[in-house]
Amino acid sequence: EAGVAQSPRYKIIEKRQSVAFWCNPISGHATLYWYQQILGQGPKLLIQFQNNGVVDDSQLPKDRFSAERLKGVDSTLKIQPAKLEDSAVYLCASSADPDRGEQYFGPGTRLTVT
Amino acid sequence: QKEVEQNSGPLSVPEGAIASLNCTYSDRGSQSFFWYRQYSGKSPELIMFIYSNGDKEDGRFTAQLNKASQYVSLLIRDSQPSDSATYLCAGRTTGGFKTIFGAGTRLFVKA
Repeated sequence: EAGVAQSPRYKIIEKRQSVAFWCNPISGHATLYWYQQILGQGPKLLIQFQNNGVVDDSQLPKDRFSAERLKGVDSTLKIQPAKLEDSAVYLCASSADPDRGEQYFGPGTRLTVT
Repeated sequence: QKEVEQNSGPLSVPEGAIASLNCTYSDRGSQSFFWYRQYSGKSPELIMFIYSNGDKEDGRFTAQLNKASQYVSLLIRDSQPSDSATYLCAGRTTGGFKTIFGAGTRLFVKA
C-alpha cells in the first residue's frame, strides 16, 4: 500500500511570496490533515478534511493560509503572502477511520522563508 | 486550552534498559491516545495507540493509560540505539475529534 505523498519536499521563498503544497493521501482514507511543525515542537493541526468537507480549521491563519480538497482525494495548502514565522515543516496525514484517529503521515515539506 | 504535556528530555538510557516515556493531558473527555516516533528530519510514525484504561503490549512496546490520573506512558523494553528518536504523545478530544500533540520527548539509547 502506497503511503501519503507530498510535494515538494523542500521550498525556499522570500517573505511576501506565495507557495503551495500538495498532498495525496493513502488510497481510501477519507480524512486528511494538514499540520505545521516548528522545530522543537509537536505538530499543530491547521485543517482537517472529511472527504471534501472541512471538519476543523480553527487554527488556520485564514488571512494568509488556504486549503482545499477537491473530489475528496488530493489536497493543496497555500500560503499567500508568506511571513518569516511560517518557516516550518508542513505535514500531511490521513486516516481511514475518523472515529479511531490513527494517522499516517507523509514525508513533509520543509519551508524556509527568508 | 486543551493540552498534552511531555517532558522534553533528553532521556538517556543504556542499551538493553527499559525506557519510560510519560505524558499528561488536560482534557478529561479525551478518549484515545497515540504514540508516534519521529526520527530527526523525518515525519512522525505511529507506533502505538490505546483507547482503554490499562496496558497494551506490542512487541517491545507497552502503552499504559490511566484516565483517572489523565496519564499516558510508553515503555520500551530492551532499548536499542535505533530507538533513539523523539516520541510524540497525542490525545484525541471528544467533540470535533481533534488530535492534539505534545512537544515530544527526545530519547537517546547509548550503545
